[in-house]
Amino acid sequence: LAKTTQPISMDSYEGQEVNITCSHNNIATNDYITWYQQFPSQGPRFIIQGYKTKVTNEVASLFIPADRKSSTLSLPRVSLSDTAVYYCLVGSGGYQKVTFGTGTKLQVIP
Amino acid sequence: DTGVSQDPRHKITKRGQNVTFRCDPISEHNRLYWYRQTLGQGPEFLTYFQNEAQLEKSRLLSDRFSAERPKGSFSTLEIQRTEQGDSAMYLCASSPRSDTNEQFFGPGTRLTVL
Repeated sequence: LAKTTQPISMDSYEGQEVNITCSHNNIATNDYITWYQQFPSQGPRFIIQGYKTKVTNEVASLFIPADRKSSTLSLPRVSLSDTAVYYCLVGSGGYQKVTFGTGTKLQVIP
Repeated sequence: DTGVSQDPRHKITKRGQNVTFRCDPISEHNRLYWYRQTLGQGPEFLTYFQNEAQLEKSRLLSDRFSAERPKGSFSTLEIQRTEQGDSAMYLCASSPRSDTNEQFFGPGTRLTVL
């Protein structure tokens, strides 16, 4: 599985847009990019998945440049409840072994 | 609530004892995963089932660890002769098909080994 690198932590004020970037230089042709969110004492929760360009759902947007060596998770107008750890994962669809890494701890400040 | 349940939610045991955890995935999901998570780290993959077949095991899964999914529905993870280093959150996840990386995680079982 392609290794990912993301910032250890980020702070943001309520109402701001937050962009978390993940580097995955060794991404393979058939790899997808997936983001999860985890609150303390809970299991991770799937946020969004994409292959190229832009994907948007009701929670977030995922921007993937043409070379696919990085991706950016965008959270619009964050609230205190968005304080969590965000994980970027890279792998082919339905891959069996998943590597989460240490994630990005987002702290939303009132 | 994702629909994946785990039991118990918390387990405290003494070193050397055996423990068993149960995971009930979403009923139509044929893929089931076990992970271990320690404080400040992301979940670490332990093992994966497709239906009742255990298809992959991590090197983290020592011979003291065993997992089963006898009828392709619920799964159990057993740890024999527990050690203090086994203290962690044990997470179970399930997914419906092979073309997605979306896994549905349970709430986890927190194990404390004294």
